[in-house]
Amino acid sequence: QVQLQESGPGLVKPSGTLSLACVVSDDSFRSDNWWSWVRQPPGRGLEWIGEIFHNGNTNHNPSLEKRVTISVDNPTNQFSLRLTSVTAADTAVYFCARRMPRYGHFDSWGPGTLVTVSS
Amino acid sequence: DIQMTQSPSSLSASVGDRVTITCRASQYISTYLNWYQQYPGKAPKLLIYAASTLQSGVPSRFSGSGSETDFTLSISSLQADDFATYYCQQSYTVPRTFGRGTKLEI
Repeated sequence: QVQLQESGPGLVKPSGTLSLACVVSDDSFRSDNWWSWVRQPPGRGLEWIGEIFHNGNTNHNPSLEKRVTISVDNPTNQFSLRLTSVTAADTAVYFCARRMPRYGHFDSWGPGTLVTVSS
Repeated sequence: DIQMTQSPSSLSASVGDRVTITCRASQYISTYLNWYQQYPGKAPKLLIYAASTLQSGVPSRFSGSGSETDFTLSISSLQADDFATYYCQQSYTVPRTFGRGTKLEI
């Protein structure tokens, strides 16, 4: 059973950059899965941010695309999220998740990490 | 973007009831529709993928159906730990989009 774990600062200043990492516990990292970021503002629904393949190919949500960078570090089984020019609207729990290749479902999730944007 | 519309947004039920949640996509998504269960403060858990395939380990009282634009999630006999929020999600195209959720309450 693969495990995912997010890490990063829990507080970011407005106009700053949010940076998170997700470590994947097994070698499924280099198989045909996509590795995604999803966020959930407090008390609200789920928003897909973007995803990356182990070869570095990415897809992003157009609503965030200009501010988002997703990168991969294969030797450490990690992928990362960088979100620039943050505002209070970016305050959310950020989840990393594995997206399966054939039907596209998110079958494994990290526990999530709360990031608050505040001065 | 494909909009996913869930109904109802909240639902009151009792243990033993059968409940159905619907999800409508704003355009054709074949059977690229997935359902998740979420408890407060926890990550979503996959219940059903490809509209009707039960994820391993999920109780058989959960079932999904539908295709093209209209989908349903049914729970045949509610148990105490089924009271949670349920989300549909389309995996047909980018951006991946979720419904706004259905909160199932006692």
